[in-house]
Formats: sequence, C-alpha cells, structure tokens
Amino acid sequence: DIQMTQSPSSLSASVGDRVTISCRASQDISNYLSWFQQKPGKAPKSLIHAASTLHSGVPSRFSGSGSGTDFTLTISSLQPEDFATYYCQLYKSYPHTFGPGTKVEIK
Amino acid sequence: EVQLVESGGGLVQPGGSLRLSCVVSGFTFSNYWMSWVRQAPGKGLEWVANINQDGSEKYYVDSVKGRFTMSRDNAKKSLYLQMNNLRAEDTAMYYCFTFDMWGQGTMVTVSS
Repeated sequence: DIQMTQSPSSLSASVGDRVTISCRASQDISNYLSWFQQKPGKAPKSLIHAASTLHSGVPSRFSGSGSGTDFTLTISSLQPEDFATYYCQLYKSYPHTFGPGTKVEIK
Repeated sequence: EVQLVESGGGLVQPGGSLRLSCVVSGFTFSNYWMSWVRQAPGKGLEWVANINQDGSEKYYVDSVKGRFTMSRDNAKKSLYLQMNNLRAEDTAMYYCFTFDMWGQGTMVTVSS
C-alpha cells in the first residue's frame, strides 16, 4: 500500500499569511491527488483534484502543485474562514489513503 | 441543488450489523464512482470503499474486507453500505462522497 504523510501536522498563522502544506506519497502517484478542507463538526469540503485543479467555487487563493511523490497546498493569503484541517488523498491505486491531516490554527 | 443524505447510523453492539444508505439528488448519480469515507471521533479521514458506476467493481480497505459490502441502486439514486460483524474500531462518522460532493454523515457507534 502507498503511505501518505503530511507536514507540518499543525501550524499557527495570521490572517493574510501565505501558508504552505506538504503531502508526500511513498510511491509515485503521478498527479492522482486531491486536497480537502474540514472544519470542526462539519463534513469535508473538496478543494483540489488532479493535484492542481481547483473544484468549482473554490477561491483562487488556494492552489495545488506537485507530481510524483511530493505535493503542496498553498493558501496565498489566509482568511478567517480558512482555519481548518487539511487532508490530501491519493487515488492512483487502492487503498485511496488519506494523509493524516494538517491543522491550521490562528496565531 | 446537489444533496447527499446519509442515514442508518446508530448504536449497535459488537458483532452486530447496520445498513447505511445515501440518497442523492441534483446530479446524475449513475455517472459517478461513489465512496464511503469514515472518521473516528477526534481522528482523521479514512477511505473505506469505492464502487463504480454500474456496481460491477468494488474496492475496500483491508480492515473491512469480508465484513462490509458496498452496493448501489441507480434507479433509486441510492448508495448502501452493509456492515456486519461490527467492532468497536468501526465507531465513526460515515460519509458518502464523490468527486466534489459530500454528505453530512451518519454516526455509527459500536459499543456494549
């Protein structure tokens, strides 16, 4: 099975900051990677698929990059509504493992 | 409006069974692969199972193989997860999901 790791596990940032979250796969997954946002007590929200394609309605301050084993989610200017936990997920092969998550907290 | 509405969760004893349902509206259900994803209390997301558009292909995480069965009824726009021989570690919120669409989840608690 392909393992997924994320770093950092948590971070503190201020409104307006640029935030970068990393996701690493233990094997090459090409660009078969999605990113999700989850707020406490809520269902996840889909942000990005195919490593860099924003889903409809997702603000342009979110961007994704990477291919192969290393991927990045960037929030260009953190907004109050962006404080949440972010997960990556591979879908190149089964199981479609999620990363452990990165919690973005208010500094 | 796109909606995915899960139901069927509840409290069940270890070894018991539950059948989760997810009824969708607002999109062409029969065109999409569907997934079940779960989240234990205070933990991260865990992919559980996938099913293709006509139900002929199904994939499961190892921890539920042989106990859980995913199915769908395209005429009823419904997705199902039959969960047998439930264990305490199956306690979680269960979400149905496809592409960029999520349900609100249904809680399953396995406890004596």
